[in-house]
Amino acid sequence: TQLLEQSPQFLSIQEGENLTVYCNSSSVFSSLQWYRQEPGEGPVLLVTVVTGGEVKKLKRLTFQFGDARKDSSLHITAAQPGDTGLYLCAGTAGGTSYGKLTFGQGTILTVHP
Amino acid sequence: DVKVTQSSRYLVKRTGEKVFLECVQDMDHENMFWYRQDPGLGLRLIYFSYDVKMKEKGDIPEGYSVSREKKERFSLILESASTNQTSMYLCASSLLRRANIWNQPQHFGDGTRLSIL
Repeated sequence: TQLLEQSPQFLSIQEGENLTVYCNSSSVFSSLQWYRQEPGEGPVLLVTVVTGGEVKKLKRLTFQFGDARKDSSLHITAAQPGDTGLYLCAGTAGGTSYGKLTFGQGTILTVHP
Repeated sequence: DVKVTQSSRYLVKRTGEKVFLECVQDMDHENMFWYRQDPGLGLRLIYFSYDVKMKEKGDIPEGYSVSREKKERFSLILESASTNQTSMYLCASSLLRRANIWNQPQHFGDGTRLSIL
């Protein structure tokens, strides 16, 4: 069974600060997805990274896939209260996995005004 | 936009009852998934289905079963509800893996918060 360790579990910061969330595994993943979930809603996809070393930017969010495709990070620059939510990383094994995802435990981010 | 609809936002049932959670998607997706979400544990896969009448166990299938009689509908069944099945249940759908397109996103419903008393 593939596992994804996500850290930290909680982050409470002030508006304007930078932060990084990590997602690590001993297994290789074909791709890594990052989702964001707001209270009362289901997770929504932010980005998919598929190539080792890949970096993707989404406004103030930067996503990186490790060279060995075993880890990923999410960096937020100048966090805003609207960034508050639960962030989840999820990996796909590829092959005959039928698109199954393995999720990390999640990071609850709170950005205070 | 893909729409995944879960029949109930909140549900309260009693221990021993048979509970049905319904999920419908409108995008003709082949794959459908049922997860439970608990604090600190992320999303754990209960069952998934990649075609009508096809089902595969996920990581925590004990105490659950599923039904997929139509492509758009995937039902989760708690055969005899127990208090440790109190949780948030999320349904998702995605396109089946195609050649070189194996990283399809999953589209989630808004969840059913189930309480077993």
